[in-house]
Amino acid sequence: DTAVSQTPKYLVTQMGNDKSIKCEQNLGHDTMYWYKQDSKKFLKIMFSYNNKELIINETVPNRFSPKSPDKAHLNLHINSLELGDSAVYFCAAGRGDHQPQHFGDGTRLSIL
Amino acid sequence: DQQVKQNSPSLSVQEGRISILNCDYTNSMFDYFLWYKKYPAEGPTFLISISSIKDKNEDGRFTVFLNKSAKHLSLHIVPSQPGDSAVYFCAASSQGGSEKLVFGKGTKLTVNP
Repeated sequence: DTAVSQTPKYLVTQMGNDKSIKCEQNLGHDTMYWYKQDSKKFLKIMFSYNNKELIINETVPNRFSPKSPDKAHLNLHINSLELGDSAVYFCAAGRGDHQPQHFGDGTRLSIL
Repeated sequence: DQQVKQNSPSLSVQEGRISILNCDYTNSMFDYFLWYKKYPAEGPTFLISISSIKDKNEDGRFTVFLNKSAKHLSLHIVPSQPGDSAVYFCAASSQGGSEKLVFGKGTKLTVNP
């Protein structure tokens, strides 16, 4: 039973489209995160939510909008996709208080 | 500005020998450090962590050492096994940093049979 699951695993789409990535965790953790791994392989935080409240919002274009309908879900919606958005997006869940975060398997987004 | 650096992009060791992966950081506010292992097409998997109040933490074949004065940590794997072949990421966070993890670029470890 996967602890953090993301869908879809692969997403290929055209520039200018709007797309969403879904994330669900069954760990019961209060905090969820979105990270982006770019072509240089750096994993960087984008957002975090704690109990449906936005906690971290790094310097991310406002075309990216996270939505947390409940504690177990954190979705990522991206408007007007650009070539530079091509990356692997990872969702994670954690308890905070200096405890490990647990990651999903990633969504590879490719913009044509 | 890289706050967490893994200067070796790759490391190759023989099965049964020790693997030592290194990580340096620049932000003195970091007080919690983690190592993650990542296989292709999978997410990072938590391996081991250490708080800044300790200088060593051990879990089976994995030991993490922290040298705060040098702002350096290392992961030792003894003995190394072929299944350990993966990319290893060092990460750090700070109290009051909302548990934001700052990652290094990763070191690809290859353990040869």
